[in-house]
Amino acid sequence: SQQGEEDPQALSIQEGENATMNCSYKTSINNLQWYRQNSGRGLVHLILIRSNEREKHSGRLRVTLDTSKKSSSLLITASRAADTASYFCATARGGGFKTIFGAGTRLFVKA
Amino acid sequence: EADIYQTPRYLVIGTGKKITLECSQTMGHDKMYWYQQDPGMELHLIHYSYGVNSTEKGDLSSESTVSRIRTEHFPLTLESARPSHTSQYLCASSAGQSNEKLFFGSGTQLSVL
Repeated sequence: SQQGEEDPQALSIQEGENATMNCSYKTSINNLQWYRQNSGRGLVHLILIRSNEREKHSGRLRVTLDTSKKSSSLLITASRAADTASYFCATARGGGFKTIFGAGTRLFVKA
Repeated sequence: EADIYQTPRYLVIGTGKKITLECSQTMGHDKMYWYQQDPGMELHLIHYSYGVNSTEKGDLSSESTVSRIRTEHFPLTLESARPSHTSQYLCASSAGQSNEKLFFGSGTQLSVL
């Protein structure tokens, strides 16, 4: 992968459970972002964490960043069937004009 | 809801045809991008633009070309489509000094027979 690894590749949970997705990257970054993609559609920006931040919250989303391990995690709490989608991490580097995406995690939330 | 539009939404075309995928945004963003994505796979950056009259190739080599004559418009052209070009093409834009948030269109699903 041009970006690194995301795991798991797919995750199936029951409604109400928490979902955790992990992302690793290869180079130094300015920021790390998480996006959501519904099947066959474009991506929607969820949350951004800067390289000098360790944790960030937005509603039911919690993102952590560990620059020493070059990894990030996205936690979705109290999942809903409508959360079913693919989730991608993305990093912006250097001059910031290139945003590079990982392979994504497919999340299935069963009602 | 992002103000970035891609047309057509779906395109099925025969080998050898010339095609243009349209992308327009009404947010006044300087930077625009084209990504290619196969089903269930990662996005690959194929072209980007810093602004009018600026175009650069991305990380994935592509036989397509782009132009940026107006801020709001960033079309992608394939002179001679082949089955290997079958994929989803996603257009995006962003503002500011660094990429802190990309806005994506709904994509064009291209099938070349």
